[in-house]
Amino acid sequence: DAGITQSPRHKVTETGTPVTLRCHQTENHRYMYWYRQDPGHGLRLIHYSYGVKDTDKGEVSDGYSVSRSKTEDFLLTLESATSSQTSVYFCAISAKQGWGNEQFFGPGTRLTVL
Amino acid sequence: QQQVKQSPQSLIVQKGGIPIINCAYENTAFDYFPWYQQFPGKGPALLIAIRPDVSEKKEGRFTISFNKSAKQFSLHIMDSQPGDSATYFCAASRGSNYKLTFGKGTLLTVNP
Repeated sequence: DAGITQSPRHKVTETGTPVTLRCHQTENHRYMYWYRQDPGHGLRLIHYSYGVKDTDKGEVSDGYSVSRSKTEDFLLTLESATSSQTSVYFCAISAKQGWGNEQFFGPGTRLTVL
Repeated sequence: QQQVKQSPQSLIVQKGGIPIINCAYENTAFDYFPWYQQFPGKGPALLIAIRPDVSEKKEGRFTISFNKSAKQFSLHIMDSQPGDSATYFCAASRGSNYKLTFGKGTLLTVNP
């Protein structure tokens, strides 16, 4: 998985609780991404980062925030989890911008919000 | 607005068959078209990618065909094997924009 770890790998939480998912990379890649995967929707970008402390929104960012204080770590926070945020979350990294933007994906975190 | 439309949702073929998965895009600024393969419980992994100035690209048993005028591209898997059973995603992005837009995926089953 290209030096990408995600933690936790599985989590069950209650509606209304805060949840933080962590993505850690050992590749020193500049770009990091958070996606969610849901049946019938494919992969949808939540947030991405183009450097330390530089982040921007993706297509489904409502209800999520991110932080990147170090090159190797990208955190995804659900401030107040809802059942609609039950999903599998994938982190991805890429070394470059422009053509050939190969993204390497982590193993995923399965989140269940009850 | 779904910018990359993928079909079919699922596909079943016999071993040795040639499954074909199709994608259509809307944004003519896209210039990078990768295909990702995902096995159950794993993250997607890049399989093959093409740029719009090339009509076909082959890597092993996997071929991308690209039709710029129709804004369509497809994945062909030659001599398919049961080990190719997975979910396949097409995607697209602009060269200077590193955000990938994914299709909804195709679940491929190759029967022995």
